[in-house]
Amino acid sequence: TQLLEQSPQFLSIQEGENLTVYCNSSSVFSSLQWYRQEPGEGPVLLVTVVTGGEVKKLKRLTFQFGDARKDSSLHITAAQPGDTGLYLCAGPLKTSYDKVIFGPGTSLSVIP
Amino acid sequence: NAGVTQTPKFRILKIGQSMTLQCTQDMNHNYMYWYRQDPGMGLKLIYYSVGAGITDKGEVPNGYNVSRSTTEDFPLRLELAAPSQTSVYFCASSYYPGGGSSYEQYFGPGTRLTVT
Repeated sequence: TQLLEQSPQFLSIQEGENLTVYCNSSSVFSSLQWYRQEPGEGPVLLVTVVTGGEVKKLKRLTFQFGDARKDSSLHITAAQPGDTGLYLCAGPLKTSYDKVIFGPGTSLSVIP
Repeated sequence: NAGVTQTPKFRILKIGQSMTLQCTQDMNHNYMYWYRQDPGMGLKLIYYSVGAGITDKGEVPNGYNVSRSTTEDFPLRLELAAPSQTSVYFCASSYYPGGGSSYEQYFGPGTRLTVT
């Protein structure tokens, strides 16, 4: 069974601090996605990483896919209150690529 | 484009009642999904559809039914509501962008359902 774990589960930091959240699995994924979900809204896709070792940047957010394609990280530089939300990683099922499984998420709170 | 729209936003049901959660997308995506989200549990797939007239069960289908008569609409039916169905329900549509990537999912704003 493919599972995605995320850590930490909760994170509360001051504005301007840096942080990293992690997404891990014992299974190899062909790609991983990161979504951000703001309170009362649906998740919004931030990025998809496809190649082992790949690094993608989205303004102050840096996403990395592990070399073995079993894990990914999201690093935020100089966090802003607007970064507050639930960060979810997701990956396609090996048995059915049109379906994805989601990790439980990291809930980030950035305090002004 | 409105994207994915869901109605209602909130609903309270009594045990044993039934209701239909509506979902519509205007992006002409073939794939549509229903998820439920419970605190600390991520998103669990209830049902999905790969096109009009085709539906299949996901991870947690018991107590739910779906239909897909058009590309745009994918309603979720709850029969005999139970407290265990208290959750936030999200509808999503997706397409494949190519290049070895994954299906990209677009979510609606969700329906918060309470069964008492």
